[in-house]
Amino acid sequence: ELKVEQNPLFLSMQEGKNYTIYCNYSTTSDRLYWYRQDPGKSLESLFVLLSNGAVKQEGRLMASLDTKARLSTLHITAAVHDLSATYFCAVLGANAGNMLTFGGGTRLMVKP
Amino acid sequence: KAGVTQTPRYLIKTRGQQVTLSCSPISGHRSVSWYQQTPGQGLQFLFEYFSETQRNKGNFPGRFSGRQFSNSRSEMNVSTLELGDSALYLCASSQSSYEQYFGPGTRLTVT
Repeated sequence: ELKVEQNPLFLSMQEGKNYTIYCNYSTTSDRLYWYRQDPGKSLESLFVLLSNGAVKQEGRLMASLDTKARLSTLHITAAVHDLSATYFCAVLGANAGNMLTFGGGTRLMVKP
Repeated sequence: KAGVTQTPRYLIKTRGQQVTLSCSPISGHRSVSWYQQTPGQGLQFLFEYFSETQRNKGNFPGRFSGRQFSNSRSEMNVSTLELGDSALYLCASSQSSYEQYFGPGTRLTVT
């Protein structure tokens, strides 16, 4: 059974600081996704990572994937208040159609 | 292109009742997946439909069922509602396994 663990579950940081969210998964995966969710809202797709060593960047967010370690990271550079949200990683297991297994989420609060 | 739409957006039901939620995928997308989100259990996969066939099913009781129509629209039904069914129900639309687009969700409250 595929398990996905994120840490930390909660992150409070000052504006301008850097931090990394970690996503570990237990079995071979075809791809890994990062989503953002604002309170009371749906999931917004941030990144899709397809292969070992994949790195994608959008603004102050950068995601990477190490399939050998079964680890993905979401790095936040010089955080701003607008990045406050909950971030989820999700893994598509092998031969699982479109069934995503989600991590528990990281609630990020960026303080001025 | 219009995004994924879900109706209704909010719903209040009483224990023991049943409910039907609807999801219209992005035009051309043949796969629709359903997820339940609760504070305690997080985001959990319910089922996926592809070309009117259920392709995957999560670990939920038989009270949760779904179907997909020839136009790819999907419905999810929950019978004999329990308090624990209160959740945000999200559907996701996909053309391939590369990207999944989530709808705004239906917030179900069971009293």
